[in-house]
Order: sequence, then structure tokens, then C-alpha cells
Amino acid sequence: GQNIDQPTEMTATEGAIVQINCTYQTSGFNGLFWYQQHAGEAPTFLSYNVLDGLEEKGRFSSFLSRSKGYSYLLLKELQMKDSASYLCAVSPRRAGNNRKLIWGLGTSLAVNP
Amino acid sequence: DTGVSQNPRHKITKRGQNVTFRCDPISEHNRLYWYRQTLGQGPEFLTYFQNEAQLEKSRLLSDRFSAERPKGSFSTLEIQRTEQGDSAMYLCASSGVGGGSTDTQYFGPGTRLTVL
Repeated sequence: GQNIDQPTEMTATEGAIVQINCTYQTSGFNGLFWYQQHAGEAPTFLSYNVLDGLEEKGRFSSFLSRSKGYSYLLLKELQMKDSASYLCAVSPRRAGNNRKLIWGLGTSLAVNP
Repeated sequence: DTGVSQNPRHKITKRGQNVTFRCDPISEHNRLYWYRQTLGQGPEFLTYFQNEAQLEKSRLLSDRFSAERPKGSFSTLEIQRTEQGDSAMYLCASSGVGGGSTDTQYFGPGTRLTVL
């Protein structure tokens, strides 16, 4: 089967660094996405990784290891507004044009003052 | 580009009634997805269109759910004979062609359905 695992909840302090892990088992791999979702709102795109290594984008960075089926999202200089759910999603390799993503359940991050 | 839009943003209905939601994707995107999401869960895939063709529909979806994208632009999702278990946020997303990062899905604000 296809599966994505990420922690359910995490807590961190304002100004600190937090790492949210994601492991996946899928039939093939075309890329991995991270989304941020505030309560009651739609997910917003954060990052896309297809090659091994670290992609940095401001305070947020995303890492991928394809051989280990592992990714993490690193959030630096945490702010209160970073309190949200962080969703990991994988695009598995499929025949034809189907681009359906496999979604994790999300990690709820609470940033405390 | 105004992004993905969805209407209505909120819908309250009585059990047994039919409801219809609309999604307008980003104009140059030819792929459109419908998801359902409940509190504390990730998005649950419902169905997927490429242009006007519906390429996949979740096996979890009952026959009460139907979606259309008649001209390959906007899409509608209809739920017939609503049940209280249908209460959820219904999300629409669109993406472009070409593979790779163009698979990035951009979401609309969602329609929150409450079935009384």
C-alpha cells in the first residue's frame, strides 16, 4: 500500500527552530510537497522536493532523502503565526496523466510565547 | 491571476437536501481536484479531472456524489440526499501540465458544509 507518516502534534517556543518529519512508502516517486494549513483555512503550498538535499526558502527549509523515503520541514525563528497544521504529500509514479497526491494526516504545530 | 475560487464559502442544509458547490480553477491549469477534509485529518481525495475528462473517482465516494467539468474550466460537485456525515470542508485544487513542480496543487478557500 501507499502510506505517509508524520507526527500528530508538536509544540515549540517562539524564536526557536522546529523540525517536522515525514516518512513515506509509495509505488514510485515523482516529488514531495509540504503545505501549511491554518485552522479553518485551505492548505497553502510551501515547498517541493524532487532531488535529494535541502531546499531553503526564507525561514522554511525542506529536506529530502529518496533512498530513505524521508523528508523534513525545518522552521526557523518561529513566530506565533506559524501555529498551523503542516501537511506532507507525495506524488507517486503513475501511468498516464494521473497526478493525484498521497496526503499525510498533518502535524499540528503549536508555537508558544 | 486571482487564484482558485469556490462558492459558496459556507452552506448549511437539512438532511436529505441536495447541495451543489462550484470551483473556478486558475485559468491556465487543466487539472482540477476535489477533496473533503474533516477536523484533524488530511485532505481526502474525491475526484480528479484533466480538462473535461474525469480520470479518477474515489471508491469511498458513494453514488450520492457527482462532479462535472463540462467545458474543462469550472467544476461543480453535487451531493444528493445529504447526510450528517457529509458535514466537512470541501476543497478544490488545480494544477498545471508538464509534471515535476507543475504538479503543485493550489487550493481554493473551501466550502464548509454543515448538514443539520
